[in-house]
Amino acid sequence: DVVMTQSPLSLPVTLGQPASISCRSSESLVHRGGNTHLTWFQQRPGQSPRRLIYKVSNRDSGVPDRFSGSGSGTDFTLKISRVEAEDVGVYYCMQGTHWPWTFGQGTKVE
Amino acid sequence: QVHLVESGGGVVQPGGSLRLSCVASGFNFAQYGFHWVRQAPGKGLESVTFIFADRNEQKYVDSVRGRFTISRDNSKNTVYLQMNSLRPEDTAVYYCAQDYDYTTESWGQGTLLTVSS
Repeated sequence: DVVMTQSPLSLPVTLGQPASISCRSSESLVHRGGNTHLTWFQQRPGQSPRRLIYKVSNRDSGVPDRFSGSGSGTDFTLKISRVEAEDVGVYYCMQGTHWPWTFGQGTKVE
Repeated sequence: QVHLVESGGGVVQPGGSLRLSCVASGFNFAQYGFHWVRQAPGKGLESVTFIFADRNEQKYVDSVRGRFTISRDNSKNTVYLQMNSLRPEDTAVYYCAQDYDYTTESWGQGTLLTVSS
């Protein structure tokens, strides 16, 4: 299985300041069709996950533009340009290129 | 709008069985594959099984192969997860997830399985 490694696992943040989460995969996530299926989810306390970003950098409808995704191959990053109080939660990267889907360990933003 | 509702969770003794259901709406159910993803208490996310949209084929991770069976009923817009020989380590919230272009757009509320004596 593809191993997804996130860092840091805990991220203390200051409101209004930027934050960044790294995600690395043990294999390339480039699909034979040419797309890279790397997704970012946010999970607030007591809630189901919510998708923020798909195919590395595509922001979902309703997701604030302070969230952005970047990267290629095996190295990916989620950035929050200015952290707001509602951004507290756990963030997961997930690869969908290979079976089974695999997730990073999660990064707790607090 | 994609809407998924999982149900069927509960408390089961080790070695017991349970069937989970996931009712979907808001899209053409028959055109999509589905995953079951679980999250143990306080832990991360783990995809355990997948069923294809257009053929009778399923995939399982090693930890559940031979014990869990995923199935679907397109007439009822429902995906099932039959779980046998349950173990304490199967304790988790179970989510079903629509496979849309190698990702999932929406999650249900999940259903909690507790395996304990």
